[in-house]
Amino acid sequence: ETGVTQTPRHLVMGMTNKKSLKCEQHLGHNAMYWYKQSAKKPLELMFVYSLEERVENNSVPSRFSPECPNSSHLFLHLHTLQPEDSALYLCASSQGGVGEKLFFGSGTQLSVL
Amino acid sequence: AQSVTQPDIHITVSEGASLELRCNYSYGATPYLFWYVQSPGQGLQLLLKYFSGDTLVQGIKGFEAEFKRSQSSFNLRKPSVHWSDAAEYFCAVGLSGTYKYIFGTGTRLKVLA
Repeated sequence: ETGVTQTPRHLVMGMTNKKSLKCEQHLGHNAMYWYKQSAKKPLELMFVYSLEERVENNSVPSRFSPECPNSSHLFLHLHTLQPEDSALYLCASSQGGVGEKLFFGSGTQLSVL
Repeated sequence: AQSVTQPDIHITVSEGASLELRCNYSYGATPYLFWYVQSPGQGLQLLLKYFSGDTLVQGIKGFEAEFKRSQSSFNLRKPSVHWSDAAEYFCAVGLSGTYKYIFGTGTRLKVLA
């Protein structure tokens, strides 16, 4: 248990659906991250929030919409996804920026049909 | 551009044998360097990190890594591998002054009994 909890663990959705991924951290950290992990590719940073303010947005398509209502919770809202969006979506948190250890959740395995 | 290269996609070793996983990076400034491990169905867990000081860094689970600036390398080693070390290993570089970490594509380790 890393202190970062992601739900759901698995999600199957059609291209016209709307769904949300949830991440919660119990570590008192001030930064939260969304990463995308696809087979044979490096982890791709999607979004970073620091103190509930978005500080990184890595040219992610608008069909992915993040939300950080407080420092403990992070959401990724999904709509009109494509099959190539199927991947493992990992949430992480840290206390501060680069140089600090990232604590990862177990991820949400997303399949887009 | 910043990048991390892990040249070995798969490595197989016998239990009790020594292990070295290679990592090369490209980054103009002094890097923050990390090794993470990912077991199936799990998020990533930090093994060790380096920023300054002694170039030989000790981590958890008996792992160590050596930073060689002249070779832009940060190779991970373990003197005697256990079956439970079978997992995927990721090298990462943290970009100073940001929240960005650049990950390699990973090396999948298989351990033979």
